[in-house]
Amino acid sequence: AQTVTQSQPEMSVQEAETVTLSCTYDTSESNYYLFWYKQPPSRQMILVIRQEAYKQQNATENRFSVNFQKAAKSFSLKISDSQLGDTAMYFCAFPHQETPQGGSEKLVFGKGMKLTVNP
Amino acid sequence: DAGVIQSPRHEVTEMGQEVTLRCKPISGHDYLFWYRQTMMRGLELLIYFNNNVPIDDSGMPEDRFSAKMPNASFSTLKIQPSEPRDSAVYFCASGKRVSSYEQYFGPGTRLTVT
Repeated sequence: AQTVTQSQPEMSVQEAETVTLSCTYDTSESNYYLFWYKQPPSRQMILVIRQEAYKQQNATENRFSVNFQKAAKSFSLKISDSQLGDTAMYFCAFPHQETPQGGSEKLVFGKGMKLTVNP
Repeated sequence: DAGVIQSPRHEVTEMGQEVTLRCKPISGHDYLFWYRQTMMRGLELLIYFNNNVPIDDSGMPEDRFSAKMPNASFSTLKIQPSEPRDSAVYFCASGKRVSSYEQYFGPGTRLTVT
């Protein structure tokens, strides 16, 4: 079965510091996408960043970047210059593999990690 | 673009009552997903549609739950009769199949059944 594991349930960081959130997954597919979603206290789920597995270059969106290690099946999110507004739950997700031939539109989500940015 | 719209944002009802949650996906998206989020179980996919057709409803907890998508711009999730254990935040999300599978979520409906 496909799984997504976020081993750190909770982290805290000081404002302006850098923090890395870890995520590991299991899949037998060779080409797929990976996502990080953010859920602030407002509870809105927001897509933060997307990584395409066939691309060697790590995705970057402003202060958010990923460290994608395909062989290790690791997909960590780095937040630089942390801001108070980054306080949220963060979820790692990737498409569910329905058959050996390919994936589906369903996303498998990790259990989430609570990040607190302190002033 | 307005994003995914859900209504109501909050719903409080008594056990046994019927509850209807509504969703308007992003225009042009051909996939629609209904999720439920609780502290105990996390984020669960209940059902999803492609081009208004239900594709996978294996996550629907029981027959009390039903979902419809009569057209490309509207979907409902109905619970009848509601029970206290149905209390959760219900999210609707939509997506467009461009080989990326990313989904865009609505603000959610917080349902409380007393």
